[in-house]
Amino acid sequence: NAGVTQTPKFQVLKTGQSMTLQCAQDMNHNSMYWYRQDPGMGLRLIYYSASEGTTDKGEVPNGYNVSRLNKREFSLRLESAAPSQTSVYFCASRRGSQTDTQYFGPGTRLTVL
Amino acid sequence: GQQLNQSPQSMFIQEGEDVSMNCTSSSIFNTWLWYKQEPGEGPVLLIALYKAGELTSNGRLTAQFGITRKDSFLNISASIPSDVGIYFCAGTNTGNQFYFGTGTSLTVIP
Repeated sequence: NAGVTQTPKFQVLKTGQSMTLQCAQDMNHNSMYWYRQDPGMGLRLIYYSASEGTTDKGEVPNGYNVSRLNKREFSLRLESAAPSQTSVYFCASRRGSQTDTQYFGPGTRLTVL
Repeated sequence: GQQLNQSPQSMFIQEGEDVSMNCTSSSIFNTWLWYKQEPGEGPVLLIALYKAGELTSNGRLTAQFGITRKDSFLNISASIPSDVGIYFCAGTNTGNQFYFGTGTSLTVIP
């Protein structure tokens, strides 16, 4: 039981390049989330998927797209990376009711040059 | 978006001391959460609070949901070296949109 896994762990991109961050959970959770964490700041929600087949914008969605591929997987895509997207990205999942805990992955550290 | 302010930003304490930190919001929440993050890892939930005025403990940790629903407090008693990390508060009303505080970095000196 691996919980929430994220790939890659580290990535360096040049401005304008695209890439997809992968997230998978093996806990049969309904809801999945993507956050970014910048130095000195808390986590900010980019997108979430309350259930398979649905996605919604969070606090900072501009410049990102997401795909809920199936119940297990939720990917985050940067179509044209910008230096402002340099950050640590965390995926999380949750069973789905109000009182459920969010479980976080280990993060992907992305640098855009 | 919602603004959650945590204080203090950082704390350096001696092992065995008690720790207090708080979190204030510009809006009300119906759920408050406290997380701990260690270097290179994602946050881990410590305590969840669901009712204004609620006081909940988890071992040496105690958290309170403020009466105004705009604040929350976390206390750690008799700190130990493994308490080192960054502590985040978070609030939600929908159970999907979570707003995180800026974090309190805790260093425990043996």
